[in-house]
Amino acid sequence: GAGVSQSPRYKVAKRGQDVALRCDPISGHVSLFWYQQALGQGPEFLTYFQNEAQLDKSGLPSDRFFAERPEGSVSTLKIQRTQQEDSAVYLCASSFAQGLNTEAFFGQGTRLTVV
Amino acid sequence: QKEVEQDPGPLSVPEGAIVSLNCTYSNSAFQYFMWYRQYSRKGPELLMYTYSSGNKEDGRFTAQVDKSSKYISLFIRDSQPSDSATYLCAMSTSGTYKYIFGTGTRLKVLA
Repeated sequence: GAGVSQSPRYKVAKRGQDVALRCDPISGHVSLFWYQQALGQGPEFLTYFQNEAQLDKSGLPSDRFFAERPEGSVSTLKIQRTQQEDSAVYLCASSFAQGLNTEAFFGQGTRLTVV
Repeated sequence: QKEVEQDPGPLSVPEGAIVSLNCTYSNSAFQYFMWYRQYSRKGPELLMYTYSSGNKEDGRFTAQVDKSSKYISLFIRDSQPSDSATYLCAMSTSGTYKYIFGTGTRLKVLA
């Protein structure tokens, strides 16, 4: 596809449930980012991959959050034992170059609602 | 205080007006400045990407960076109802990959 694709678009989870969010970056893009956007706020950085290597996970809010990109293309963000404060839009972005100061292109996001 | 400040709006203007959107920041190490447009329930769409100070123009959009004042602007000429969206500024320091975003300004262009 031409752009970054994320699935599902919407996810409702019961508190305590595990969820998995998928990101298909633009083909050939080396760098992949996950951001979290709370309602009425700007996106906040969660984690960064260069190919399959997770170079920075400093933005992950707790050890319940886990991200992987095993083959350097598709990435999955997993949230274990979801809490209400996890409700947000989770955005994936990719860029062609190796991440430093490059233009990042975002997907449409997955809106997670924890009830 | 947040590193990047942006007035959330909403900002309402008539069709055809010149729109000025602004962000201020506190980190003098920011070197890269971006503007994204985000329609409701969509992901951010990159509009402008600039390095250091100066102006950059692309069609109806002009981005300005004033590093001495720690102030960036996005101007939209001949605004259209289709420009109604939230505009997010984002910044990063040299040699990093994290963007720091503002909260976004909601713009409404009235027909």
